[in-house]
Amino acid sequence: DSGVTQTPKHLITATGQRVTLRCSPRSGDLSVYWYQQSLDQGLQFLIQYYNGEERAKGNILERFSAQQFPDLHSELNLSSLELGDSALYFCASSVGADYYNEQFFGPGTRLTVL
Amino acid sequence: DAKTTQPPSMDCAEGRAANLPCNHSTISGNEYVYWYRQIHSQGPQYIIHGLKNNETNEMASLIITEDRKSSTLILPHATLRDTAVYYCIVRPPGTALIFGKGTTLSVSS
Repeated sequence: DSGVTQTPKHLITATGQRVTLRCSPRSGDLSVYWYQQSLDQGLQFLIQYYNGEERAKGNILERFSAQQFPDLHSELNLSSLELGDSALYFCASSVGADYYNEQFFGPGTRLTVL
Repeated sequence: DAKTTQPPSMDCAEGRAANLPCNHSTISGNEYVYWYRQIHSQGPQYIIHGLKNNETNEMASLIITEDRKSSTLILPHATLRDTAVYYCIVRPPGTALIFGKGTTLSVSS
């Protein structure tokens, strides 16, 4: 158990819909990262937040957005969903904003778009 | 960004040492070498990292060549539970954790 929790574990929805994925980091970790893992693209970094502020952006689509709240939990919002958005979404946390800190990953949310 | 090259797959007998190579010939002076693994769709798990010197922890050892252009992750006594995809990642400061295709290690009895 990494100490990072993600809800829900599974999500099935239809094209065009909007969903919210939630992540609670390890106690004391200020950085939260979101990754997407699909069969054809592998593990891709989406976005990082540090202590409530956006820190770095990766291959995140404009239809996707995220935020980190004062209690440090984070939410990833996916809208206008397409079939290709079906994937595993992982959240990770680390102590600080420096990437040299190791990241601890949650169990993931499996999103299926029908 | 430094690119890493890993063999797509490796086999290892249970109880033997698993030596997983990684080539990172374009690594720059301030980049660390990190190893993560992912067991069947679980979240990736941090294993070890190093800059120049060899490192050891309770999970594995990391051997980095003197010119830092390659490294080897060593699992000293592989078990069936070590079957996973192993990712070698070189991280420049201020950039994202970039996962390649990794090496699929299969440990068999």
